[in-house]
Amino acid sequence: GAVVSQHPSRVICKSGTSVKIECRSLDFQATTMFWYRQFPKQSLMLMATSNEGSKATYEQGVEKDKFLINHASLTLSTLTVTSAHPEDSSFYICSAGTTSGGVYHEQYFGPGTRLTVT
Amino acid sequence: AQSVTQPDIHITVSEGASLELRCNYSYGATPYLFWYVQSPGQGLQLLLKYFSGDTLVQGIKGFEAEFKRSQSSFNLRKPSVHWSDAAEYFCASLGSNDYKLSFGAGTTVTVRA
Repeated sequence: GAVVSQHPSRVICKSGTSVKIECRSLDFQATTMFWYRQFPKQSLMLMATSNEGSKATYEQGVEKDKFLINHASLTLSTLTVTSAHPEDSSFYICSAGTTSGGVYHEQYFGPGTRLTVT
Repeated sequence: AQSVTQPDIHITVSEGASLELRCNYSYGATPYLFWYVQSPGQGLQLLLKYFSGDTLVQGIKGFEAEFKRSQSSFNLRKPSVHWSDAAEYFCASLGSNDYKLSFGAGTTVTVRA
């Protein structure tokens, strides 16, 4: 099956610094990548959708200037948490999917990145 | 907009016993429905999905789910659980226009020996 990787798997940073999380589709080309945030014991909350070569579409309430998303190629999307604060500490999960001719193909999820801001 | 509801926050089941997790959807047309499993600190793994056709869907790890339009439900079942089935289970539906997944709140499954 298709594999999606995330790097790093775990990161601790100091308040005020920026952190970049990479999401890669290893054996397929993803036309669309999604970024989710998950708080402990809670469900996944979609943050944004990104399509290769275009700007990301952010969900309501998600600060686009704080959570910078770049989808530079069909296999790589990055999420940068800028000027991180303790409340940004969370589990960030990406997924990658393909659509063709308006037909949806499965989303494949990465293993997640645990961000802790001290 | 489509949405799914998982009424059970936490279920405890004995190893070897059957398991059923409930999921109700809210959507006018036939929804695309999914069940995912998440182990602690891990990403999501797809167990099964329903797009159309046969309403009884077989998935991986011995799971199955049945789509019931009359009840707006897509419940997940497993005849005999294993200790390794202890995890968080999420039901999700897919937007037909934007391909966004909407997740339920999740059900935590604990398996006791």
